[in-house]
Amino acid sequence: GAGVSQSPSNKVTEKGKDVELRCDPISGHTALYWYRQSLGQGLEFLIYFQGNSAPDKSGLPSDRFSAERTGGSVSTLTIQRTQQEDSAVYLCASSPGDSDNEKLFFGSGTQLSVL
Amino acid sequence: AQSVTQLGSHVSVSEGALVLLRCNYSSSVPPYLFWYVQYPNQGLQLLLKYTTGATLVKGINGFEAEFKKSETSFHLTKPSAHMSDAAEYFCAVRPLGDYKLSFGAGTTVTVRA
Repeated sequence: GAGVSQSPSNKVTEKGKDVELRCDPISGHTALYWYRQSLGQGLEFLIYFQGNSAPDKSGLPSDRFSAERTGGSVSTLTIQRTQQEDSAVYLCASSPGDSDNEKLFFGSGTQLSVL
Repeated sequence: AQSVTQLGSHVSVSEGALVLLRCNYSSSVPPYLFWYVQYPNQGLQLLLKYTTGATLVKGINGFEAEFKKSETSFHLTKPSAHMSDAAEYFCAVRPLGDYKLSFGAGTTVTVRA
C-alpha cells in the first residue's frame, strides 16, 4: 500500500497480558515514530527510529514498553503485563528522514483497550 | 523540552463563520511549526507548516496560519467554516536540527449548520 499501515486496528486484552502492535511504514522511509494518543492529552512521543542508528527510547513510559524495527522497515511495539492505563490509541508515523522539517505520514492507529 | 499549548479543547462554529484555533509554543529559538488534522476515523495529516520565510503560511482546504515570533504563536484560521472541517486539530513543534515532534493536546472543531 501507499500509506503507513498499522495492525490490528483494534485490540482488546486483559490486564496482565502482553500485546504486540505492528507498523508497516511507507517504503523507503528511514524514520519511524511511535506516539500514544490518550483522550484529551494529545500525542505523547514514545520512540524514534532512524536508519541503522540506535533508537531514541526516551518517551517509553516504563520498562514494560519496548519496540524494535527489523530490517529498517516493519516495527513492532510490545507492551508487557498490560495495565488499564495503557489503554489508548497507538500511532505510528514514518518520514523520508532527509530533513528536520519534513512532514510525518501517520497510520490510522491501533486502539488498545485493557480490561 | 518544547511545550505546545492549544487554547480550548473544543471549538464550535457556525457554517460560514471564521475558524480560529490558537497555538502557543515555549522556546527561545523559534522551532519549525506544524498543524495536523485528524478527520473522523482517519490518520493525522499535515495541514500546513512554517519553516522559514513568509510568516503567513497557506495550507490545504483554505486554512492558513501566521507565525508571530513576538507572541510565540502560530494560530490557525479559516475565513469560512465548512461542515467538512469538523475534525481534531493538532499544533506541533520541532526544534531546528531535531527530529522529535511535540504535539499540543488538540482542539476538536464542530461545525453547526
